Amino acid sequence: AQSVTQLGSHVSVSEGALVLLRCNYSSSVPPYLFWYVQYPNQGLQLLLKYTSAATLVKGINGFEAEFKKSETSFHLTKPSAHMSDAAEYFCAVTTSGGSYIPTFGRGTSLIVHP
Amino acid sequence: DVKVTQSSRYLVKRTGEKVFLECVQDMDHENMFWYRQDPGLGLRLIYFSYDVKMKEKGDIPEGYSVSREKKERFSLILESASTNQTSMYLCASSLFRGRNTGELFFGEGSRLTVL
Repeated sequence: AQSVTQLGSHVSVSEGALVLLRCNYSSSVPPYLFWYVQYPNQGLQLLLKYTSAATLVKGINGFEAEFKKSETSFHLTKPSAHMSDAAEYFCAVTTSGGSYIPTFGRGTSLIVHP
Repeated sequence: DVKVTQSSRYLVKRTGEKVFLECVQDMDHENMFWYRQDPGLGLRLIYFSYDVKMKEKGDIPEGYSVSREKKERFSLILESASTNQTSMYLCASSLFRGRNTGELFFGEGSRLTVL
């Protein structure tokens, strides 16, 4: 079985500050990991994914995430927040050779203050 | 560009009505999914389908049914809508399991209000 925990249902940052959204997973086999972003009243779109290549993954809009097997984490970061980054962010996990159905975290709402 | 299209962005229905939510994808994906999204609960899987005429229950199938008569189309049906089915409904698709990392492609969502 696989699971995802996103710490903090809401994260608030000032414009220009570091963004850090936390994701921890559990999986008995090597995982595939994803971050999706959802802007208000829209569907989810892929931000970035880890599929067992480089552990530091770069995505769209300046976001990146690092896969740390020892910590079972896949935290999302961005050096400098922009107002347009305000959205809901979801972490998800699937497993290679296993179920192709992702397990999602409950989401973290990123609030950016001017 | 890849596309998952949900037929209605906003719907208002009355209790007891039959509701159809339609989803079409143009990526030739085998797998299609219906989720509902509620504040604080994240995404919950209602049904999924890995082939035409095939369907599998997700985590919360009660009160819903689905239909997949063609590969590109996956419909969610609420036989008798109730107020607790007021929610955002998201359709998604992905490649067949053998070539699949589990990456999902989502539609824009259908916000259903049941009065």
